[in-house]
Amino acid sequence: QKEVEQNSGPLSVPEGAIASLNCTYSDRVSQSFFWYRQYSGKSPELIMSIYSNGDKEDGRFTAQLNKASQYVSLLIRDSQPSDSATYLCAVDMNRDDKIIFGKGTRLHILP
Amino acid sequence: SAVISQKPSRDICQRGTSLTIQCQVDSQVTMMFWYRQQPGQSLTLIATANQGSEATYESGFVIDKFPISRPNLTFSTLTVSNMSPEDSSIYLCSGRGQHTEAFFGQGTRLTVV
Repeated sequence: QKEVEQNSGPLSVPEGAIASLNCTYSDRVSQSFFWYRQYSGKSPELIMSIYSNGDKEDGRFTAQLNKASQYVSLLIRDSQPSDSATYLCAVDMNRDDKIIFGKGTRLHILP
Repeated sequence: SAVISQKPSRDICQRGTSLTIQCQVDSQVTMMFWYRQQPGQSLTLIATANQGSEATYESGFVIDKFPISRPNLTFSTLTVSNMSPEDSSIYLCSGRGQHTEAFFGQGTRLTVV
């Protein structure tokens, strides 16, 4: 089992709709979880971090964490064409402070 | 968050040569890491750069091929040695505090011909 798994997509969502991105991880002791956005040819940039079970909202973005199910998700409300990018789920495996990345989900927002 | 300056931003190199990538953070960080991102792929961790001691390499990466230095808390280098076309990739420097998010340099796009 891969340490951090994501559906590679592409995920196509109409403009204005909600985009839902999902991620599962293998290590139960993981404590810190991150969502990054990466535009083509650019470095990853942090969107959200989440450390405890439940929801965390920041503007149009909501991160959801369920440690019992080892599941993290990112919701993007009112999707905009500028949200089209690859979204990387990242997990601090609580081993040597390393962050492991999933393969990323390509998101296309359709105008 | 801290700002990471990475250089060069891109280079085209002859096979068999070596390239050293530099990474400078504008504030002290606990950890520094080097990642590789091949075209269309996600980030693969190469190694953890340890201050004043040998780097800790991930499976599949060795010191002879990817020597890393970190002489102080804010600076690190990665050398890609004896390059082949398979080393063509984007190399990313990353820094973080303990259990905080990671932030990235601009990346180095390496093409080996």
